[in-house]
Amino acid sequence: NAGVTQTPKFQVLKTGQSMTLQCAQDMNHEYMSWYRQDPGMGLRLIHYSVGAGITDQGEVPNGYNVSRSTTEDFPLRLLSAAPSQTSVYFCASSYTGGEDGNEQFFGPGTRLTVL
Amino acid sequence: AQSVAQPEDQVNVAEGNPLTVKCTYSVSGNPYLFWYVQYPNRGLQFLLKYITGDNLVKGSYGFEAEFNKSQTSFHLKKPSALVSDSALYFCAVRDVGFQKLVFGTGTRLLVSP
Repeated sequence: NAGVTQTPKFQVLKTGQSMTLQCAQDMNHEYMSWYRQDPGMGLRLIHYSVGAGITDQGEVPNGYNVSRSTTEDFPLRLLSAAPSQTSVYFCASSYTGGEDGNEQFFGPGTRLTVL
Repeated sequence: AQSVAQPEDQVNVAEGNPLTVKCTYSVSGNPYLFWYVQYPNRGLQFLLKYITGDNLVKGSYGFEAEFNKSQTSFHLKKPSALVSDSALYFCAVRDVGFQKLVFGTGTRLLVSP
């Protein structure tokens, strides 16, 4: 299993440009989520999905869109990039069934710089 | 709403000494509690979790954590630190029955030789 994969690893955008961060998992996990990591602020939840066709907002959703057309993929779209979106972005997934706590598995991250 | 506090930005410890990284939490119901570790330029790796049962949870790389319901704490511990344990550690919590995971701000652990 490849686990959770993210592309690209690095990206530089100009203000106003749009782009999509890709995330895929091959563990058949129902739950997928996007976080951003900023110094001193930990990880903050942007959007999440509990299954194909179902998405919801996290703590910091403004400026980001998501969709979940398949179980495997959960892309994150920046419609008009702003310098405040400079960050490291992590995708994560987990199983939702059972009672074992369902720890999340994280991808390697995408480092985004908006100039 | 769920929340997690990691009161120390950084913990310094000498190799071979015991280490503790502190975490306190707040949830409305029963908590699922997690510790993750992040090495430089890497994603987060799961270390251990508390679901129910024994308050002392053992995880990867010799780490353990103690759940204390009365103090709403879940401190990470290791009896003998290694230089290779130097990394960023995150505590996280979610309410039972919900999927959203809330993270603390992280604690940088520096283990000196």
